[in-house]
Amino acid sequence: QKEVEQDPGPLSVPEGAIVSLNCTYSNSAFQYFMWYRQYSRKGPELLMYTYSSGNKEDGRFTAQVDKSSKYISLFIRDSQPSDSATYLCAMRDGYSGGGADGLTFGKGTHLIIQP
Amino acid sequence: DAGVIQSPRHEVTEMGQEVTLRCKPISGHDYLFWYRQTMMRGLELLIYFNNNVPIDDSGMPEDRFSAKMPNASFSTLKIQPSEPRDSAVYFCASTTGQGFHEQYFGPGTRLTVT
Repeated sequence: QKEVEQDPGPLSVPEGAIVSLNCTYSNSAFQYFMWYRQYSRKGPELLMYTYSSGNKEDGRFTAQVDKSSKYISLFIRDSQPSDSATYLCAMRDGYSGGGADGLTFGKGTHLIIQP
Repeated sequence: DAGVIQSPRHEVTEMGQEVTLRCKPISGHDYLFWYRQTMMRGLELLIYFNNNVPIDDSGMPEDRFSAKMPNASFSTLKIQPSEPRDSAVYFCASTTGQGFHEQYFGPGTRLTVT
């Protein structure tokens, strides 16, 4: 079983709809949870991150983490055609020693917002 | 800031040839990561460096792959000999050792091995 599971889609919704993207994971050590957006033929860009459990909101985007269920979500309100991209969840351990670490990614969900 | 720079953007080579991918991290970043992205396996960490020193290379698939970071502004990922299953998009990312450690990705190198 892969550490992070994500439905690859494609997920196609009409403009203005609320979009829900999800990932499940198996490693209890994960503490930082991120969502990256990747446009076609581009590198991933960080959209949002959350530490441990809870919700975080940034404009039309809301990230949720439920560590008890090992489940994270990204909601997009009032979706726009410009939101069409692949959304990748990513995670890493919390650590006591400081310093950066590599990320574990889901495979990404391809999202299409129809005008 | 120019962001993370990778070259070449596209590489097509024949099986058995040596391939060298290059990366220039963002100035001041002391961590550099190499990832590989395929449809089958998604985005996978290959190796990362801190202050030019390799910290974790457990993701490097086999001895045909090697990575170096001779100075703070340059890194290479080499495949020798290349095989068709190495075809993928290779990304380089960098970050600082401060705060959240957001990783900034380059545009990637699309490698095709025929």
